[in-house]
Amino acid sequence: TQLLEQSPQFLSIQEGENLTVYCNSSSVFSSLQWYRQEPGEGPVLLVTVVTGGEVKKLKRLTFQFGDARKDSSLHITAAQPGDTGLYLCAGAEGGYQKVTFGTGTKLQVIP
Amino acid sequence: KAGVTQTPRYLIKTRGQQVTLSCSPISGHRSVSWYQQTPGQGLQFLFEYFSETQRNKGNFPGRFSGRQFSNSRSEMNVSTLELGDSALYLCASSLALGGADHTQYFGPGTRLTVL
Repeated sequence: TQLLEQSPQFLSIQEGENLTVYCNSSSVFSSLQWYRQEPGEGPVLLVTVVTGGEVKKLKRLTFQFGDARKDSSLHITAAQPGDTGLYLCAGAEGGYQKVTFGTGTKLQVIP
Repeated sequence: KAGVTQTPRYLIKTRGQQVTLSCSPISGHRSVSWYQQTPGQGLQFLFEYFSETQRNKGNFPGRFSGRQFSNSRSEMNVSTLELGDSALYLCASSLALGGADHTQYFGPGTRLTVL
């Protein structure tokens, strides 16, 4: 069973601060996704990264895929209350392997 | 393009009953996965269907079952409901299996409450 560990599990910060969330595995993934989920709703896809070392930016969010495609990070600059939610990473392997989801990081941004 | 739709959005059942949840994937997507999400256990994988065949299965009892139709729509069924089955059930669709094509798009979920 492949495992994706996220850290930290919980994060409570003030509006305007920066933060980084990590997603680590011992497995190699051919692609990795990040999602944000709000209470009672389904996760919403933020980004897919496929190339080792790839960096993608989405406004104040920066996503990086590790060179070995085993880990990823999500950096948020100048966090806002609207960033509050559960952040999930997910890794997809080749073939018929199921997608593996991380343990999640619950972020609270205080105004 | 319409997103993933799930029906019903909310459901209240009593112990011992059974329930069927429905999921319509994004048009053109052939893979549908089901997840159970609870505050204590997080997102747990139930099963995945591709081209009407179950390709992967999580560690859930046989009371949980699913199927996929030729139009890729999927249903999951839970029989003999228990209090612990109360959860948000999420359906996700993807274009295919493997790599970037396996990127999953989620529906809004069905909130099941078992009394």
